[in-house]
Amino acid sequence: GAVVSQHPSRVICKSGTSVKIECRSLDFQATTMFWYRQFPKKSLMLMATSNEGSKATYEQGVEKDKFLINHASLTLSTLTVTSAHPEDSSFYICSASSRQWEGDTQYFGPGTRLTVL
Amino acid sequence: AQSVAQPEDQVNVAEGNPLTVKCTYSVSGNPYLFWYVQYPNRGLQFLLKYITGDNLVKGSYGFEAEFNKSQTSFHLKKPSALVSDSALYFCAVRDMYPSGGSYIPTFGRGTSLIVHP
Repeated sequence: GAVVSQHPSRVICKSGTSVKIECRSLDFQATTMFWYRQFPKKSLMLMATSNEGSKATYEQGVEKDKFLINHASLTLSTLTVTSAHPEDSSFYICSASSRQWEGDTQYFGPGTRLTVL
Repeated sequence: AQSVAQPEDQVNVAEGNPLTVKCTYSVSGNPYLFWYVQYPNRGLQFLLKYITGDNLVKGSYGFEAEFNKSQTSFHLKKPSALVSDSALYFCAVRDMYPSGGSYIPTFGRGTSLIVHP
C-alpha cells in the first residue's frame, strides 16, 4: 500500500519557538494532503487541506498565521507551528491522497507528538 | 452535507467471538465509505473501502464491512476477534459527487475496540 512518512515523530520545544513537521508520500504523488490534530481519546480534527502548488484551505477556527502549511511538491507538505504554546501540544497527523476517482483514499502518516513546555 | 455517526464510544468483545463496530452515514448522493484503524500513538491505517459493486467489502486483517443502502450503514465486522485487534476504529464517508467540489471525507468520532483474552 501507499506509504506516508512524518518527521519528527516526537518533538519537545519551549514556549514561543516554532516547530516544523514534514509529511512525505514515499511511493506515490499526492494531489492533496491533509493535516489533522488529534486530542487524547478524541476524534480527528481536520485543520487544513492543501493541494500542490496552491495555498492551503483552512478549516474554520484554525489560525492560518499560526499553523503555516506549505505543499511545495507532490510528495512533500510541511506544517509549521509558529510561536508554539502549551495549548498547541497535541498529536498531529498528516494524510495524503491521489486521484479523486479512487474515492480519495487517504493514507496517513504515523503522526507527530508535539509537547510545548 | 455529509455526516457519519459511530454510535458506540467503546465495544468490548471476548477473544474468538465475532465483533461488530457500527457506522451510519448521511450523504446527499451516493457514498464512498472507508474504515481506518489506529493503534496507540500511531497514525491511521486504511482497512477497507466501499466505492461501488458488491455490498460486502473485504479488507485487511480479516475485517469486512457491509454496505446497506436502505439503512445507510457500513458496519465493520470480523468473525473471530483477536486481542491484537484492540485499537481505535474510524469510519469515514464522502459524497461521490459532492456539491461545491469538496472531496474531503468526513470522519466519525472513533470507536475504541477492546478484545479481552
